[in-house]
Amino acid sequence: DAGVTQSPTHLIKTRGQQVTLRCSPKSGHDTVSWYQQALGQGPQFIFQYYEEEERQRGNFPDRFSGHQFPNYSSELNVNALLLGDSALYLCASSLSQGEATNEKLFFGSGTQLSVL
Amino acid sequence: AQKITQTQPGMFVQEKEAVTLDCTYDTSDPSYGLFWYKQPSSGEMIFLIYQGSYDQQNATEGRYSLNFQKARKSANLVISASQLGDSAMYFCAMTRLTGGFKTIFGAGTRLFVKA
Repeated sequence: DAGVTQSPTHLIKTRGQQVTLRCSPKSGHDTVSWYQQALGQGPQFIFQYYEEEERQRGNFPDRFSGHQFPNYSSELNVNALLLGDSALYLCASSLSQGEATNEKLFFGSGTQLSVL
Repeated sequence: AQKITQTQPGMFVQEKEAVTLDCTYDTSDPSYGLFWYKQPSSGEMIFLIYQGSYDQQNATEGRYSLNFQKARKSANLVISASQLGDSAMYFCAMTRLTGGFKTIFGAGTRLFVKA
């Protein structure tokens, strides 16, 4: 049973460029959340996708966008990269249970993005 | 607004001893869930334990237990019989059980287990 997989594992970009990160959820899961984790800090919620739509969004600018595909996989896109976007980007999957959100998250190992 | 506070940046514990990692939270929601996750150096967050705000008993999962004190808004993680493999970052997290879908995390505590 495959867990959450993310690609690539590492990425180096320069300021102003655009980047796309990919995530495949755990088998049987239908919901994908993206988090940004700066060095030495806790993960910060970017947004969550369910049924191919953004269901909730954190306090991130519009440069951060995403997509969910019919097979539940997801992409995170970041435009006009800034030095401050350097971080570990974590994808987490879960099985939606309607209004209840007590389901635990299953995380991938993340994509380490460095912006030079 | 919801907030998670972890005041211990780093903790040391001797192998085979118990350790408590502190977590306090702030929320106005009557219905919420509290989680603890472990993050080894590999980067992957691993679920450890869950406590619902209406659960009467403290949650336990093997060597992990959650000391839930609702009136104090604290949800401390207790690890019994520490092992070298427990050395990692530990994050306390919270989610609303209705009307919200995001999980918020504290800043984390780095645990060092000494042989």
